[in-house]
Amino acid sequence: EDQVTQSPEALRLQEGESSSLNCSYTVSGLRGLFWYRQDPGKGPEFLFTLYSAGEEKEKERLKATLTKKESFLHITAPKPEDSATYLCAVVNAGNNRKLIWGLGTSLAVNP
Amino acid sequence: DTGVSQNPRHKITKRGQNVTFRCDPISEHNRLYWYRQTLGQGPEFLTYFQNEAQLEKSRLLSDRFSAERPKGSFSTLEIQRTEQGDSAMYLCASSRTGESIQYFGAGTRLSVL
Repeated sequence: EDQVTQSPEALRLQEGESSSLNCSYTVSGLRGLFWYRQDPGKGPEFLFTLYSAGEEKEKERLKATLTKKESFLHITAPKPEDSATYLCAVVNAGNNRKLIWGLGTSLAVNP
Repeated sequence: DTGVSQNPRHKITKRGQNVTFRCDPISEHNRLYWYRQTLGQGPEFLTYFQNEAQLEKSRLLSDRFSAERPKGSFSTLEIQRTEQGDSAMYLCASSRTGESIQYFGAGTRLSVL
């Protein structure tokens, strides 16, 4: 069964303290892996799509990487405004319409 | 591109009442999705439309839930005889045909008293 596991569940950082969030997946033929950011009371906001092992994408202080088993979201020198829940989702080759979601990592960045 | 729009943002209702939510997708997006999300969980897939055709529906979806997309543009999600367990955030997303990236609206928060 396709599955996505995110760790840690929650992470508290000091401003400027870099760290990484993990998304490990088991899927029958990865079609794509997605990172979203979700603020409280709002819908998920698309960040990145990764399609093949070795691929990397960057946006401001965020960098997403992908291997055959997991993805990392690296946060460099975070700021308080980076505080949010970060969700990972995958799509398998058999059904490119259905996102399979992890439970998310709740990130808090203290000033 | 105005993004995915959902109305209302919040809905409070009494148990047993019917509620209806509306979603306006990004204009050029043929695909529209409904999800439900509770605290600490990822979004749970409810149903999916390609234009006006409802092509997939979660097996977990009760018969009290119905969704429509009559002209292939906006969509409505109706919940009949609401129960307290229906309290959740209801999210709508849209995408282009052939693309996997889904763009979400801000959601409708339903509270059933």
